[in-house]
Amino acid sequence: TQLLEQSPQFLSIQEGENLTVYCNSSSVFSSLQWYRQEPGEGPVLLVTVVTGGEVKKLKRLTFQFGDARKDSSLHITAAQPGDTGLYLCAGVLGGTSYGKLTFGQGTILTVHP
Amino acid sequence: EAGVAQSPRYKIIEKRQSVAFWCNPISGHATLYWYQQILGQGPKLLIQFQNNGVVDDSQLPKDRFSAERLKGVDSTLKIQPAKLEDSAVYLCASSLQVPWPYQETQYFGPGTRLLVL
Repeated sequence: TQLLEQSPQFLSIQEGENLTVYCNSSSVFSSLQWYRQEPGEGPVLLVTVVTGGEVKKLKRLTFQFGDARKDSSLHITAAQPGDTGLYLCAGVLGGTSYGKLTFGQGTILTVHP
Repeated sequence: EAGVAQSPRYKIIEKRQSVAFWCNPISGHATLYWYQQILGQGPKLLIQFQNNGVVDDSQLPKDRFSAERLKGVDSTLKIQPAKLEDSAVYLCASSLQVPWPYQETQYFGPGTRLLVL
């Protein structure tokens, strides 16, 4: 059983479409991060959210942390082929005394030109 | 600034053989992590070092996996003997030490792809 459930697992869309990836848990997280991983590379941090209800924007990407700090979403507007990759959410459980990250299983996004 | 370096990038071995992976973290990063990423899954933490001490190794299969971080800099992860299910990407990451509850940024290396036949 995954502590962090991501959905969908696969997403194949056309350039210009919008999409949302979800990251859900029954546990409370003190912080949650989103990473993007390209083939043959390690994950690269996109954003960290720490406050319930927090919304962060990074160009065409919008990240939201749920009010109860149990879920998060990543929304991409007008997707481009360069957005193709594996998107991972990762959280630090509330009460953890050091920054141990628990990752979701990832969402593979393919954006077709 | 140089990133996290890992070697080798690829390794193919037969089951029951031994294998070792090397990681050189970003200079000055006190914390070093080893993750296992099986195809289709997110990374799973195997072991976390703070300088040369172990912070968390609760998910490290200690009967076959071992890791060390001598002098608090480079680290090696060893598997002996390897099993088919060890086929995965082994990622090393490092971060600066920041006071809890602040969340440090982990910087990942490119990983070592291990195939056990």
